[in-house]
Amino acid sequence: AQSVAQPEDQVNVAEGNPLTVKCTYSVSGNPYLFWYVQYPNRGLQFLLKYITGDNLVKGSYGFEAEFNKSQTSFHLKKPSALVSDSALYFCAVSPRVGSARQLTFGSGTQLTVLP
Amino acid sequence: GAVVSQHPSRVICKSGTSVKIECRSLDFQATTMFWYRQFPKQSLMLMATSNEGSKATYEQGVEKDKFLINHASLTLSTLTVTSAHPEDSSFYICSASGGYLYEQFFGPGTRLTVL
Repeated sequence: AQSVAQPEDQVNVAEGNPLTVKCTYSVSGNPYLFWYVQYPNRGLQFLLKYITGDNLVKGSYGFEAEFNKSQTSFHLKKPSALVSDSALYFCAVSPRVGSARQLTFGSGTQLTVLP
Repeated sequence: GAVVSQHPSRVICKSGTSVKIECRSLDFQATTMFWYRQFPKQSLMLMATSNEGSKATYEQGVEKDKFLINHASLTLSTLTVTSAHPEDSSFYICSASGGYLYEQFFGPGTRLTVL
């Protein structure tokens, strides 16, 4: 069984400061890893994914994430936070095999960027 | 990127009535669609996985007779909440995946309120 842990329910950061939203996973084999963002009463918006290759993945809106196989982590980062980045962030993992490609989500981290 | 729509975006109904939610993939053929349920400030809970032309696979604890899922074409899946009760009030999100698309694309969600 696969699982995703987002250890922080809430992350607060001042505008202009770097932000990190943590994610660790447990899965057999090499997974696909994703980050999504959700604004209130909206569906999930895709930010970035790790499939293979370079461990540092760059995504939408200036976000990036680093795949660390030894630590089974996929932390989301941004060098300079914006107030508009305030939202709910989900990390997700999907197995490489199987046609269903089911996603397992973390519990979510509420990011608040303070002006 | 691939676009998924949901209709309606918001629905209010009386207890005991049935509600149908549509999920459409607008620019790709979705061989697999997923239905999720999300409670406020919580993660997405997978309800069922549906493959075009076959019966949906429901997650443990999800009543298949209450949450009817149909995936009759490669671009449309429907979720019908039968005999809705107030405890069915939630945010329902669909996603779609297909062909070479190894990731899921999410709809904007439907807010169901049962009075």
